[in-house]
Amino acid sequence: SQTIHQWPATLVQPVGSPLSLECTVEGTSNPNLYWYRQAAGRGLQLLFYSVGIGQISSEVPQNLSASRPQDRQFILSSKKLLLSDSGFYLCAWRGAGGILEQFFGPGTRLTVL
Amino acid sequence: GIQVEQSPPDLILQEGANSTLRCNFSDSVNNLQWFHQNPWGQLINLFYIPSGTKQNGRLSATTVATERYSLLYISSSQTTDSGVYFCAVEGRGTSGSRLTFGEGTQLTVNP
Repeated sequence: SQTIHQWPATLVQPVGSPLSLECTVEGTSNPNLYWYRQAAGRGLQLLFYSVGIGQISSEVPQNLSASRPQDRQFILSSKKLLLSDSGFYLCAWRGAGGILEQFFGPGTRLTVL
Repeated sequence: GIQVEQSPPDLILQEGANSTLRCNFSDSVNNLQWFHQNPWGQLINLFYIPSGTKQNGRLSATTVATERYSLLYISSSQTTDSGVYFCAVEGRGTSGSRLTFGEGTQLTVNP
């Protein structure tokens, strides 16, 4: 069966520091991968998605970037964090082919002070 | 892009009551999912239901794609049903199969 991992689970970082959040998926090949952010309140916003290694699409211009160095690894980064980067970051995957259902990881709660 | 509206935004129930949550969307969809976000933030998949009706225990869902809405039914609610319920859709022609989320319904079930 497929599983998705995210780490760290929680993170407290000072303003101006770098960021690296990691997401890995097991049990599937060539998945679509997604980064979402949930800020204060309830809505989830798509940040990046990837349909293959090295292929990244950005949905919202911002202080963050994403990379996919391996088939089942998706990394969210920042060179200098802002206060507004605080939030709950969720990684998701969807299988290749006609299966459209997305599955989410446990999330990383980021606080920028 | 596609718009998703959920109602009601907040719902308070007594244990044992039934409820209906609604999701309206503005365009044709390839995918519609219902999620429950638990107190730890994990999004739990409830239904993948771009059309038709499905049931899973006390929960069921119906999507009427031609009329652009979906309903989530919770029967005999329990305190563990508390949390936020999200509807998310993928519009037809959306590249990358990305989901657009509604703002959610905050459900509180009191004992």
